[in-house]
Amino acid sequence: KAGVTQTPRYLIKTRGQQVTLSCSPISGHRSVSWYQQTPGQGLQFLFEYFSETQRNKGNFPGRFSGRQFSNSRSEMNVSTLELGDSALYLCASSSTGTATGELFFGEGSRLTVL
Amino acid sequence: AQKVTQAQTEISVVEKEDVTLDCVYETRDTTYYLFWYKQPPSGELVFLIRRNSFDEQNEISGRYSWNFQKSTSSFNFTITASQVVDSAVYFCALSVYNFNKFYFGSGTKLNVKP
Repeated sequence: KAGVTQTPRYLIKTRGQQVTLSCSPISGHRSVSWYQQTPGQGLQFLFEYFSETQRNKGNFPGRFSGRQFSNSRSEMNVSTLELGDSALYLCASSSTGTATGELFFGEGSRLTVL
Repeated sequence: AQKVTQAQTEISVVEKEDVTLDCVYETRDTTYYLFWYKQPPSGELVFLIRRNSFDEQNEISGRYSWNFQKSTSSFNFTITASQVVDSAVYFCALSVYNFNKFYFGSGTKLNVKP
């Protein structure tokens, strides 16, 4: 069974640019959630999508957005990048959802903002 | 408000020693789930265990064991006879059923030296 795939694995952007990260969940999983990991703030929940609908959102500005497609693949977009957006972005998939389900994580996309 | 506290930032042990990672949580909800995840250097988090708030039974899985005590709001994790491969960052997490959000602790970095 293929795991969660995140692309790209590494990317470098400059302030003001935007970035799109992709996540392909485990086949059959309808829930995809996103997390930001930084040394200062730790692991923080960004949002969860379930069957193409955003179910919940963490405390992040509107520059952070996402969507989920009918095949459950998800994308996360960050617009007008700031230095503080440099982080490891992790995506997780679940068959039942974030609150109750076992989460399967990808290896993350490491974003560096210069 | 929900919160997870892992007071131990970093622990170093010598191989074959037992080690306990502490986790204290806060929530006013009666239905919640507790988790432990392992993050090896590769980055992806690996699910270790899930416990719901109605099940206080301790669990043992090989060298791993978990002690859930609602009276002290703790969910501690013990590794018996530690091995070098156990070196990783370990995260305790809480999800509250009604909110579809995940709350991670700050993580404990475990160094197991040969």
